[in-house]
Amino acid sequence: DAKTTQPPSMDCAEGRAANLPCNHSTISGNEYVYWYRQIHSQGPQYIIHGLKNNETNEMASLIITEDRKSSTLILPHATLRDTAVYYCIVRVQGAQKLVFGQGTRLTINP
Amino acid sequence: NAGVTQTPKFQVLKTGQSMTLQCAQDMNHEYMSWYRQDPGMGLRLIHYSVGAGITDQGEVPNGYNVSRSTTEDFPLRLLSAAPSQTSVYFCASRRTSGGPFYNEQFFGPGTRLTVL
Repeated sequence: DAKTTQPPSMDCAEGRAANLPCNHSTISGNEYVYWYRQIHSQGPQYIIHGLKNNETNEMASLIITEDRKSSTLILPHATLRDTAVYYCIVRVQGAQKLVFGQGTRLTINP
Repeated sequence: NAGVTQTPKFQVLKTGQSMTLQCAQDMNHEYMSWYRQDPGMGLRLIHYSVGAGITDQGEVPNGYNVSRSTTEDFPLRLLSAAPSQTSVYFCASRRTSGGPFYNEQFFGPGTRLTVL
């Protein structure tokens, strides 16, 4: 699985868009980008995943660069409940394990 | 659906004691797995199973045993607990095929284990 690099922490004002970057310069052609988050030591929660096209669901949007070497998770209108550690994971679809790095600790400020 | 459930929520053991962490899911998922999370760290895979009767090792399997006799249950056994096994343990499950979200992994609430 390709290695990912994320900033250790970020802050965002409530109501603004939170943009979380992830670098995955060694990603292979068949590897997907997944995002999970973990709120206050709860079990991780799936957010979104994509291969090369931008993706959007009810929680977030995922923007993947054309060369696929980086991506950005966008929470369009961040709330205090979005305060969590966000993990960017790259792996082959259906691979047996998720490899969690250190993630980005996102703090939403009132 | 209850999703993925884990028991107990908290446990304190003495060194050398044994215990079983329980995990169950009611989503008919083929794949189940166990992770541990140490303070300030990401999750690390202990063991996983792709179906009843099939298990395999993850990154950190030493000191842990698993079995999968049914689709629903995937218990994790600590045979002789050590302080190094103090951690939060998460169980997870997902489908292995079919549908647009078959890669979404569902996690349980965790078991917080302290070994003295």
